[in-house]
Amino acid sequence: GQQVMQIPQYQHVQEGEDFTTYCNSSTTLSNIQWYKQRPGGHPVFLIQLVKSGEVKKQKRLTFQFGEAKKNSSLHITATQTTDVGTYFCAGLETSYDKVIFGPGTSLSVIP
Amino acid sequence: DTEVTQTPKHLVMGMTNKKSLKCEQHMGHRAMYWYKQKAKKPPELMFVYSYEKLSINESVPSRFSPECPNSSLLNLHLHALQPEDSALYLCASSQDGLSEQYFGPGTRLTVT
Repeated sequence: GQQVMQIPQYQHVQEGEDFTTYCNSSTTLSNIQWYKQRPGGHPVFLIQLVKSGEVKKQKRLTFQFGEAKKNSSLHITATQTTDVGTYFCAGLETSYDKVIFGPGTSLSVIP
Repeated sequence: DTEVTQTPKHLVMGMTNKKSLKCEQHMGHRAMYWYKQKAKKPPELMFVYSYEKLSINESVPSRFSPECPNSSLLNLHLHALQPEDSALYLCASSQDGLSEQYFGPGTRLTVT
């Protein structure tokens, strides 16, 4: 069955440093979604990528979808303490009708 | 209104109790979901309703019983739960089964 993996599992950065999390699927995806969950909170939708090679930016966040539509990345420039949380990718496989969440990357930012 | 509401926020129940979790959205979304989330884990899909019909049941034990009374409401009926069922139960909705999901704040369930 479909598997979605993320690395790293945890990342501790100094405030102002950059951060990247990578998402990989065992199968080709129709789209990929990214969510952020703050400690004690619930997942909040960040973005959806659909096209091969697509790149989208939201202020300091840059999202990429791989050419083969099997991997994606989220890059945060100059992290801030407000970026703390767990970032989940969620992939929709072409032949499936549901979104599968990756295990998440937990980001800590040291002020 | 992009809000999904869930009640109660917290629930403590014994293994012989019957309780229900409630979820509501007024975004006109036609897909609604129940997820279970354990600490430091991703949300784990339990059920999906599409156009008020159960479309996905991820082999969830029968002690969890979903119900979709109308397009805005989703319930999860709980009966004879086990301590390992303690978790955060999240409801979500989306325009359809493929679009971004909007999550509610969740119900923190403790089974004693």
